[in-house]
Amino acid sequence: AQTVTQSQPEMSVQEAETVTLSCTYDTSENNYYLFWYKQPPSRQMILVIRQEAYKQQNATENRFSVNFQKAAKSFSLKISDSQLGDTAMYFCAFKMYSGGGADGLTFGKGTHLIIQP
Amino acid sequence: DAGITQSPRHKVTETGTPVTLRCHQTENHRYMYWYRQDPGHGLRLIHYSYGVKDTDKGEVSDGYSVSRSKTEDFLLTLESATSSQTSVYFCAISGSGGTNTDTQYFGPGTRLTVL
Repeated sequence: AQTVTQSQPEMSVQEAETVTLSCTYDTSENNYYLFWYKQPPSRQMILVIRQEAYKQQNATENRFSVNFQKAAKSFSLKISDSQLGDTAMYFCAFKMYSGGGADGLTFGKGTHLIIQP
Repeated sequence: DAGITQSPRHKVTETGTPVTLRCHQTENHRYMYWYRQDPGHGLRLIHYSYGVKDTDKGEVSDGYSVSRSKTEDFLLTLESATSSQTSVYFCAISGSGGTNTDTQYFGPGTRLTVL
């Protein structure tokens, strides 16, 4: 079974600063996907970024980027130029490659990120 | 945003009563999932479906059943609700082709309180 660990229950930074959220995972699989989801106070789960394990290049989406270290089983999220709207719970999630999608996500317990004005 | 709706959005019920939550999608996606979210646990998979009438159990399936009689609807039933099933329930969907096959998109959630 896979496990996902987010070691930072809460983080707080000033607006416009850069912040990095940590995620480590444990798996014996070689092909898999990793995700970061954002959950603002509205409770909606919003996909932030996705990484395929077979890709060496780190994924980026505008101000969001990841540092994927496959050997270390580490998948951190960097948010640049943080904004007040980035305040949310952030969840790291793992999914095995199944070729067809029929597997659930394994989530970490989340990091509550607070952006201070 | 993916076309996913959940109903009801909020429900309060009493211990021992049956409860059915509905997930409806307009994306014609093959795969659908039910998760529950509890403080300190993140989201955990309850059941999932890989096609009409094809379902399987997830990590925390005890006390829950599901049904999928058509592509767009995935129902989660609590046969006899207990206080431990007080939670926020999320439905998710994923496609059956292309680069986003393994990416799941979530509905808005249903907050269920069992008294």
